[in-house]
Amino acid sequence: GQSLEQPSEVTAVEGAIVQINCTYQTSGFYGLSWYQQHDGGAPTFLSYNALDGLEETGRFSSFLSRSDSYGYLLLQELQMKDSASYFCAVTRPGNTGKLIFGQGTTLQVKP
Amino acid sequence: ETGVTQTPRHLVMGMTNKKSLKCEQHLGHNAMYWYKQSAKKPLELMFVYNFKEQTENNSVPSRFSPECPNSSHLFLHLHTLQPEDSALYLCASSQDPSYPEAFFGQGTRLTVV
Repeated sequence: GQSLEQPSEVTAVEGAIVQINCTYQTSGFYGLSWYQQHDGGAPTFLSYNALDGLEETGRFSSFLSRSDSYGYLLLQELQMKDSASYFCAVTRPGNTGKLIFGQGTTLQVKP
Repeated sequence: ETGVTQTPRHLVMGMTNKKSLKCEQHLGHNAMYWYKQSAKKPLELMFVYNFKEQTENNSVPSRFSPECPNSSHLFLHLHTLQPEDSALYLCASSQDPSYPEAFFGQGTRLTVV
């Protein structure tokens, strides 16, 4: 089976740095993705880690440690528009591959 | 605009009604998905289609019936639903089922009364 754990809520102030953690237990693992979803909107892809280490995309970075079954999304220089839900997701390889999501972390950025 | 279009955006239906949700993708992807998103719950994978063939049915009740006539279109036929089926139903597509980047439609907000 698959399970992913994330904190349900995180609050931070504008300009700060926030880290959203994700631990996973899956049968078969390809990599860890992160998605952002604003209220009333569609989830949108942010980043993907297939190998251990840090991937940086502008103000957002994502980290993966396969040995620890752990990853995180790091958001820097927070802006009000970053208030959204953030989901980690694991991909399973092969013809029966699929994308399985965690329960999501609601990030509230305050002035 | 993600390249994945869902209709209708909102749907209210009675428990005895039959309705269908439609999804269309213009991205040339081979895999399409239905997810259910309820309040305070994770995105629950319902069905996966790869090259029009169903590769995953995540123990979904038979009152939900998917149809994939081609790689660009996906339907979810609904009948005799329950109030607890009220949720946001999201369609997504990707290059193939193991690809980490999926593109989502805006979803259909379904209310069963």
